Amino acid sequence: QLQLQESGSGLVKPSQTLSLTCAVSGGSISSGSYSWSWIRQPPGKGLEWIGYIYHSGSAYYNPSLKSRVTISVDRSKNQFSLNLTSVTAADTAVYYCARISNFWPKTFDYWGQGTLVTVSS
Amino acid sequence: DIQMTQSPSSLSASVGDRVTITCRASQSIKTYLNWYQQKPGKAPKLLIYAASSLQSGVPSRFSGSGSGTDFTLTISSLQPEDFAAYYCQQSSSTPWTFGQGTKVEIK
Repeated sequence: QLQLQESGSGLVKPSQTLSLTCAVSGGSISSGSYSWSWIRQPPGKGLEWIGYIYHSGSAYYNPSLKSRVTISVDRSKNQFSLNLTSVTAADTAVYYCARISNFWPKTFDYWGQGTLVTVSS
Repeated sequence: DIQMTQSPSSLSASVGDRVTITCRASQSIKTYLNWYQQKPGKAPKLLIYAASSLQSGVPSRFSGSGSGTDFTLTISSLQPEDFAAYYCQQSSSTPWTFGQGTKVEIK
């Protein structure tokens, strides 16, 4: 059974960089059939797709965040990571990692449990 | 970006009721539409993909329909475990976008 687990700092100061890692177990992150994504949800609000990365390392980002986001993959550790720079209070959210199929239908079929990141001084 | 609009934003219903949630896309997305269920404090769970296909393990009381810009999620007989938030999501083009959610509450 595939499992995803987010980890990282739960409290980040304004203007600093948010860094999270998603460890994948029960399956290989190098599979060509899937990509690996980050999605966030501000408290009490809806879901926002942040970006995704192929096993090859090619990444695609939501234009609304593109200037501040980097997603990277570490195949040796079977994990992928999110960096979000210059954070503000508006970046406070539960951050989820998820798997998405590369072929139609593209669905987020496995999710991590989510980790709350609070931006505050 | 393709905007996804759900209605209603919330609804109150009783166990056994038939519940319908609507999702509208700002442009045609054919059948590139998925539905997720989210319970408090939990990650979303995939219910329906490609507008009308039931994800493995999801009860048959859930069904989806629609194409183009208008879609519906129907729960034929609401069960206690179905009280949750529901989100539609388009996978037609990036940035992938979600509806704002529909919260199904107990009447």
